[in-house]
Amino acid sequence: ETGVTQTPRHLVMGMTNKKSLKCEQHLGHNAMYWYKQSAKKPLELMFVYNFKEQTENNSVPSRFSPECPNSSHLFLHLHTLQPEDSALYLCASKGQGGWSSYNEQFFGPGTRLTVL
Amino acid sequence: DAKTTQPTSMDCAEGRAANLPCNHSTISGNEYVYWYRQIHSQGPQYIIHGLKNNETNEMASLIITEDRKSSTLILPHATLRDTAVYYCIVHRNFGNEKLTFGTGTRLTIIP
Repeated sequence: ETGVTQTPRHLVMGMTNKKSLKCEQHLGHNAMYWYKQSAKKPLELMFVYNFKEQTENNSVPSRFSPECPNSSHLFLHLHTLQPEDSALYLCASKGQGGWSSYNEQFFGPGTRLTVL
Repeated sequence: DAKTTQPTSMDCAEGRAANLPCNHSTISGNEYVYWYRQIHSQGPQYIIHGLKNNETNEMASLIITEDRKSSTLILPHATLRDTAVYYCIVHRNFGNEKLTFGTGTRLTIIP
């Protein structure tokens, strides 16, 4: 248990469906991240939020829409996905500190998404 | 962030020390060395990090060479639960917040 939870853990959806992934942390962290991990590929950073503001969008297609209503919650809204979007979607959070504070990210267990 | 090079896979006997190497020859002076691991179908887990001194915690030890161009993660008494993919990442602690994961080393602990 890292203190970062993700729901659902598994999701199967059709290409015309709309679904949302949820991430929650009560660690007092102010930075939250979405990563994608496709089979046999490294983790790819998708989005970064700092203090609820999106600070990074790593050229992610618009069919993925993040939302960060507060520092504890992060959503990834999905619509009209493609089969190649099937992957493990991981959420992470990190505390903020001084410039010398270390950069430990706490990861959730991930949502295994299958797009049919 | 500087790139890292790790062996694709390694085996280690249960109960022995697992030594995982990482090359980061282009590391810059303000970059730290971080190690994470990912057990199958779980999220990555932070293990340890260091700048230039050797570090030890309850999970592992990190040995960084004097020129900082390489490092070794040591799991002193490997157990079957240490089977995972281990990622070596070099990263600054300020500015750009991205952690760039490579393909890592798949460590298999053999009973």
